Amino acid sequence: DADVTQTPRNRITKTGKRIMLECSQTKGHDRMYWYRQDPGLGLRLIYYSFDVKDINKGEISDGYSVSRQAQAKFSLSLESAIPNQTALYFCATSDTGTVGGDTQYFGPGTRLTVL
Amino acid sequence: AQSVSQHNHHVILSEAASLELGCNYSYGGTVNLFWYVQYPGQHLQLLLKYFSGDPLVKGIKGFEAEFIKSKFSFNLRKPSVQWSDTAEYFCAVNPSGYSTLTFGKGTMLLVSP
Repeated sequence: DADVTQTPRNRITKTGKRIMLECSQTKGHDRMYWYRQDPGLGLRLIYYSFDVKDINKGEISDGYSVSRQAQAKFSLSLESAIPNQTALYFCATSDTGTVGGDTQYFGPGTRLTVL
Repeated sequence: AQSVSQHNHHVILSEAASLELGCNYSYGGTVNLFWYVQYPGQHLQLLLKYFSGDPLVKGIKGFEAEFIKSKFSFNLRKPSVQWSDTAEYFCAVNPSGYSTLTFGKGTMLLVSP
């Protein structure tokens, strides 16, 4: 969905490096999420934010941090990358005004490889 | 915490075969239920969702799902699959009053022409 963009789309980095993944959305949604996807494990929630002043840990937040710079921007940082953080990372957004459930809209993903 | 179980990790079908993918969740209260699809190399897209009303929900591309509350299930069905349905399918649950989704581990569907 072009309304949710992620940069970079692919990144190879080395163990110990700091890396930031960025997410921007033009959907006007107030809620944003970061997930990682690993083969056979599905999607697991890292962090989520309901507005600029609200940040919440998800299921697997250790080793990650986030920043909600504006309603439309939500970045994910790996302070010191390690190989088991190699994964596909997805950003998603949703709208509190959604009737009947929190439908989330996903970005195209960032494939991160930590050597 | 709620969990979502998808019974089959891999399914292989021939074109025109019928499809049913199982999904069970563990949560005793009111839930919203979703099926997402991820085509090769692409991001997740919503196939369909249930939040209230008719337990048989119709989605895009001929897919449907039935919510059976007594069985805590939300199985995805399609009467006749096509090669273009090859993708990974994820079931997700959002208990009413919660704001996050819990995903199942996914089912990879391969449709042979």
